[in-house]
Amino acid sequence: QKEVEQDPGPLSVPEGAIVSLNCTYSNSAFQYFMWYRQYSRKGPELLMYTYSSGNKEDGRFTAQVDKSSKYISLFIRDSQPSDSATYLCAMSSLWGAGSYQLTFGKGTKLSVIP
Amino acid sequence: DSGVTQTPKHLITATGQRVTLRCSPRSGDLSVYWYQQSLDQGLQFLIHYYNGEERAKGNILERFSAQQFPDLHSELNLSSLELGDSALYFCASSEENTEAFFGQGTRLTVV
Repeated sequence: QKEVEQDPGPLSVPEGAIVSLNCTYSNSAFQYFMWYRQYSRKGPELLMYTYSSGNKEDGRFTAQVDKSSKYISLFIRDSQPSDSATYLCAMSSLWGAGSYQLTFGKGTKLSVIP
Repeated sequence: DSGVTQTPKHLITATGQRVTLRCSPRSGDLSVYWYQQSLDQGLQFLIHYYNGEERAKGNILERFSAQQFPDLHSELNLSSLELGDSALYFCASSEENTEAFFGQGTRLTVV
């Protein structure tokens, strides 16, 4: 079992739809949870960063963490064609000698159709 | 703009050659991470440096090495290059080992 599982999609939705992206994980040591957006051949861009279970909202984006179920989600409201990208979940844990390591999901490719 | 700068943006080289990729982290960030992303593959962690010291190694080949200098910039050295080393190489930096900010990457093509 991989440490982080993410459905690669592709996911195609009409403009204005609510998008739900999810990751599951198996490592209880993960402490920080992030969502990145990556446009084709560009560097991943940090969208959301959370620490505790619960919801965190930033504009059209809501990140949700459920540590008891080892499940994280990213919701995108009123999706726009410009949201078309690959979305990567990432989680970090302490990995010896004070080093926090990021473990990434494979990414979900999202297309928002006008 | 994440504040992380990577050079060069593109690199084309022949098999067997050696290249150096450079990364300047965000101002104040002590941690630098290197990742490899092959076509249709996820981000693979290579190595982590914190304030000049190697902190962790991931799936980094013995032909690859890295270092972080006193001014905190980092270099990733790739030697005896093979066709399979063609990929995007990303550098990320972070403060206090939390969220990481990525550069725009170096696209390496080995021919």
